[in-house]
Amino acid sequence: AQKITQTQPGMFVQEKEAVTLDCTYDTSDQSYGLFWYKQPSSGEMIFLIYQGSYDEQNATEGRYSLNFQKARKSANLVISASQLGDSAMYFCAMRDLYSTLTFGKGTMLLVSP
Amino acid sequence: DAGVIQSPRHEVTEMGQEVTLRCKPISGHDYLFWYRQTMMRGLELLIYFNNNVPIDDSGMPEDRFSAKMPNASFSTLKIQPSEPRDSAVYFCASSFGRPGTTDTQYFGPGTRLTVL
Repeated sequence: AQKITQTQPGMFVQEKEAVTLDCTYDTSDQSYGLFWYKQPSSGEMIFLIYQGSYDEQNATEGRYSLNFQKARKSANLVISASQLGDSAMYFCAMRDLYSTLTFGKGTMLLVSP
Repeated sequence: DAGVIQSPRHEVTEMGQEVTLRCKPISGHDYLFWYRQTMMRGLELLIYFNNNVPIDDSGMPEDRFSAKMPNASFSTLKIQPSEPRDSAVYFCASSFGRPGTTDTQYFGPGTRLTVL
């Protein structure tokens, strides 16, 4: 069974600084995908970034990048130049070849001025 | 393009009543997923459909829960009878392509259900 672990219940960062949100995963499959979603206080789930297990380059989307370390089974999200609007819950999720998304418990990020 | 549409956004009902949640997936997406989010259990997959056919309903908690997808643009999740422990946010998501590929699931805004 797949498992996603997010060990940071909460993180604090000052505006304009970078922050890393940790995610480790467990799977026996060779082919899988890793996703990060943002859930602001309004409640919607917003897709941020995707990394495939065979992708050699780390994924980037604007201020978001995914630090993918396959041997360590980690897929950390890096947010550069944090903004107040980045304050939200962040979920790491994994999908392997024959299953649907498995989500971690989430990390609450608070960006202060 | 419109995203995934869910209705109602909020539902308050009394124990024992029937509740119907509705979802319209993104046009062209052939996979539809129903999730439930609670503080205790996080995000859980309840059921998913491919081309309107239920593929995996192992996450449906009890026989009180049922889901249908009569056509490619509409799905319902029904709870009958509802109980206070069903209080949660219910998300619908859709994607294009087979699960396990690179295709991303896009979520609707959710329905916040409160059962008194």
